[in-house]
Amino acid sequence: GAGVSQSPRYKVTKRGQDVALRCDPISGHVSLYWYRQALGQGPEFLTYFNYEAQQDKSGLPNDRFSAERPEGSISTLTIQRTEQRDSAMYRCASSRRWADTGELFFGEGSRLTVL
Amino acid sequence: QQQVKQSPQSLIVQKGGISIINCAYENTAFDYFPWYQQFPGKGPALLIAIRPDVSEKKEGRFTISFNKSAKQFSLHIMDSQPGDSATYFCAAKTSGSRLTFGEGTQLTVNP
Repeated sequence: GAGVSQSPRYKVTKRGQDVALRCDPISGHVSLYWYRQALGQGPEFLTYFNYEAQQDKSGLPNDRFSAERPEGSISTLTIQRTEQRDSAMYRCASSRRWADTGELFFGEGSRLTVL
Repeated sequence: QQQVKQSPQSLIVQKGGISIINCAYENTAFDYFPWYQQFPGKGPALLIAIRPDVSEKKEGRFTISFNKSAKQFSLHIMDSQPGDSATYFCAAKTSGSRLTFGEGTQLTVNP
């Protein structure tokens, strides 16, 4: 596709449920990143992949959060046993290689609301 | 802790004026400093970026000034236009590709 595609765009779930957020990066982009953005704040790093390898997951808040990119393209961010504090915009970004120029292409995000 | 401090939180400028947004950092391992622009409902998009061995970079109406000794950098928008109204984020990158973003500045340019 022309840009980074994320789905669903909006997700409302009840506390305790699991959610899966999907990211389809720009075709040919090697690196894929997950960020979380609270309202009125800058994006906060969660994790990133080069191809299918998860390079850095130090930003994941706790072990309820996990991410995978099994074939080096589409990625899924999974949040287990959701809590209200998980409510935020989750953004995926991709780059041609490991972002040596700092240019990430962001998707429009998945807004998660946990009731 | 890797942090980037950004100010002001919001800024109102008249059309044709100069918008100035400032950022400061602590981690000397940062090696690249991009600015991102975000419109409502959209993801951030790269606007302009600078490396720490350069003191200034200009692209059209947008200029980054970088002060390595002070660990500060700023974005100047000359001849600000209503279409520049957006949220601006400074960021800093380490060699490991992780971008650390500032808190953002909401710019409003009045006609």
